[in-house]
Parts: sequence; structure tokens; C-alpha cells
Amino acid sequence: GAGVSQSPSNKVTEKGKDVELRCDPISGHTALYWYRQSLGQGLEFLIYFQGNSAPDKSGLPSDRFSAERTGGSVSTLTIQRTQQEDSAVYLCASSSPDRWDQPQHFGDGTRLSIL
Amino acid sequence: DQQVKQNSPSLSVQEGRISILNCDYTNSMFDYFLWYKKYPAEGPTFLISISSIKDKNEDGRFTVFLNKSAKHLSLHIVPSQPGDSAVYFCAASSNTGNQFYFGTGTSLTVIP
Repeated sequence: GAGVSQSPSNKVTEKGKDVELRCDPISGHTALYWYRQSLGQGLEFLIYFQGNSAPDKSGLPSDRFSAERTGGSVSTLTIQRTQQEDSAVYLCASSSPDRWDQPQHFGDGTRLSIL
Repeated sequence: DQQVKQNSPSLSVQEGRISILNCDYTNSMFDYFLWYKKYPAEGPTFLISISSIKDKNEDGRFTVFLNKSAKHLSLHIVPSQPGDSAVYFCAASSNTGNQFYFGTGTSLTVIP
């Protein structure tokens, strides 16, 4: 499809396990964002990629969280040694690089549940 | 600290009437504002935006108003329809940063 694709749509795992979440942005979008939405909360910024520039990691909550973007396209968010407070919906968004004032296009998210 | 605030977690409106959703922000450097609509189990979808050089932007039934002196924006939906029932997020950014800051959302219910 033409939109932002995220996988898996749902993930249930035990506390202490590592998880990987994947995001395929819209073709041609060089800006990519990861957000987290916990129950009853707004969207919490995690990390931002723009082309080949160094990512803005200022929103990552701890060193258990990391993200990569390979070839300027697909991105993977990795959470190591998951904790129950990591349970949330993880959303990925991409936007056009032509102007800074462009809306983001979101995927449907990955709902992560830590048992 | 929450730089973008939506103080009303929920709103109910009769079909055909006007829905007004409010949003306040604290950072005077913000110069681009957006509204997103979110259905359950789906990602937010872009609805309408406004830059700080304007005080109003209209798109069909949706109008966004910006009051820079009050650091306040609002989304008006008229007439409201049952399909408008969703969670609405406002967001803000500036041309000096990478981040978009989101409010906590307002759940709108349009009653048929």
C-alpha cells in the first residue's frame, strides 16, 4: 500500500524479553518519527530520523530503547529487557522533506503488551 | 512538561450542531499547528493545519482558529456528524526543531 506500514500489529511478550518493532515509511519520505502512546496519554516523542543526519534520540526513555533506520527507509525500534511500563501503542510516522511544515502520516501502530 | 494541552478529555455533541475542540500551548516558538483525528486501532490521520501567519484556516466542515496572543487554538466542526466521533489530537512544532508536540487528545462523541 501507499501508507506507513507497521508490524506486528500486536505483540505480547514476557517481562525481560527483547522486542523489535518495524516501520516501513511512505516511499520518498526521508523524515521518520517514532512515538509511544500509553493508556490515557498523548503521543510521546521517542526518536526522529532525517535522511543521513544523526537521529534525534532525545525522547528515548532509557538505554533499553534503540532504533535504526537502514538505507534511509525501513526503521526498527528495539526494546531490550522489556518492563511492564513499556506496554503501550508504538506509532511510526513519516513526512515529506520538502518543507518543515508538513504533516506527518502515521501507521496504525504496534500494540505492545508486557506480561 | 506538557507543552501542548487539551484540557477536555471528552466532548459530546448532538448531530448537526457545532463541535468546538480546544488546545493550549506554552511555547511561543511554535509556528505550525495541526489537528489529527484518531479512530480506535488506527493511527492518527491528518485533518487540518495552520501556520502562525494566519489566524484561521477552513477546509469544508472543519475550521481551525489560532489566537497567538492567548497561545490557543480551536477546531470547529460544523455540522457535526456521527462519523466525526473519534479522538482528536492537536500538535505543534517550530521550524527550529525536529519534534512535533502532541496534546493528550479529546474524545468527541456525536450523538445521532
